[in-house]
Amino acid sequence: NAGVTQTPKFRVLKTGQSMTLLCAQDMNHEYMYWYRQDPGMGLRLIHYSVGEGTTAKGEVPDGYNVSRLKKQNFLLGLESAAPSQTSVYFCASISRQGSSGYNEQFFGPGTRLTVL
Amino acid sequence: EDQVTQSPEALRLQEGESSSLNCSYTVSGLRGLFWYRQDPGKGPEFLFTLYSAGEEKEKERLKATLTKKESFLHITAPKPEDSATYLCAVEPRFQTGANNLFFGTGTRLTVIP
Repeated sequence: NAGVTQTPKFRVLKTGQSMTLLCAQDMNHEYMYWYRQDPGMGLRLIHYSVGEGTTAKGEVPDGYNVSRLKKQNFLLGLESAAPSQTSVYFCASISRQGSSGYNEQFFGPGTRLTVL
Repeated sequence: EDQVTQSPEALRLQEGESSSLNCSYTVSGLRGLFWYRQDPGKGPEFLFTLYSAGEEKEKERLKATLTKKESFLHITAPKPEDSATYLCAVEPRFQTGANNLFFGTGTRLTVIP
């Protein structure tokens, strides 16, 4: 199993440009999450999904949109990038029952985004 | 408001010098407290989950403990390969989300040979 994968690994955007980050998991997990990680701020939840076709807002959703058209994929979109969105973005997934009884979230390797 | 505070922000230890990392939390009912390890340029890697006060979990040189207000990650005789940032997160029992976690800012541990 590849676990949770993210593409791209790095990206540089200009202010106002758009892009989509892709997260894929091969563990048949129901729940998926997008976080951003900034120095001194910790991981903050952007959006999450409890199943195919459903999404919900997290702590910092403004400026982002998401879609979950397939169970294994969770897309994060930036329609008009701003310098404040410079960050490292992590995707995570979890089985609703907790695959090992611990209900831990499995994280991807991250996408480092810079907006100039 | 659910809140997680980790201390210290950074810790430098000599190889073999045992110490503890602290995670204090305020949450409206605790479903679980999680410890993760994060290496530079990588995603967090799960270490432990603790569910109730008094619970302890061990893995190699690491032991996590939980009280009603805080958790400790004890590192016994650390090695340089234990150098990483250690993250603490809580899952509130009462929330509108789905297994949503609230993270602390982490403790950056450096173990010097």
